[in-house]
Amino acid sequence: GQNIDQPTEMTATEGAIVQINCTYQTSGFNGLFWYQQHAGEAPTFLSYNVLDGLEEKGRFSSFLSRSKGYSYLLLKELQMKDSASYLCAVVDSNYQLIWGAGTKLIIKP
Amino acid sequence: DVKVTQSSRYLVKRTGEKVFLECVQDMDHENMFWYRQDPGLGLRLIYFSYDVKMKEKGDIPEGYSVSREKKERFSLILESASTNQTSMYLCASSLWGEGGANVLTFGAGSRLTVL
Repeated sequence: GQNIDQPTEMTATEGAIVQINCTYQTSGFNGLFWYQQHAGEAPTFLSYNVLDGLEEKGRFSSFLSRSKGYSYLLLKELQMKDSASYLCAVVDSNYQLIWGAGTKLIIKP
Repeated sequence: DVKVTQSSRYLVKRTGEKVFLECVQDMDHENMFWYRQDPGLGLRLIYFSYDVKMKEKGDIPEGYSVSREKKERFSLILESASTNQTSMYLCASSLWGEGGANVLTFGAGSRLTVL
């Protein structure tokens, strides 16, 4: 079967750095997405990785290792507004999205 | 600035009622999707559509149907609501992207409670 694993919940301190991991076992791979979802709101696109390596976008970076079936989202200089759920999703060989259950990130002052 | 609009944020229905969830996008996207989101589970695809009057079953289509009469509008129908359909329903749209790069734009969701 296809599976995406993410931690259920993480806590971090304002101003710090946090890394949210995502491991996957899917039938084929055509890219990996990260979305952010604030409570009661729509998920919004953060990043898309299809090649190995690190992609940086301001305070957010996303890393992919296809050989290890592993990705992480790195958030730097955490702000209170970063409190949200972070959803990992993999595009499989049929170009269908397989979603993880999401990681709820709690930022404390 | 709203791009995907779901008509109802909160609905409460009774078992056996017919329920319509409406979704409209103003970005001229070809693809539209209906997901449900439940605690502890990833988003699960109910139905999707790549064109007007076209629909495809997703992973959990049982108990649901859809309608896409116009490009901008994708409706989800629960013919006879049941308590296990209590959930958050998310509509999304996208353009065709290169390879798998099909970025979804989501609506804010419709939280349905079936009593």
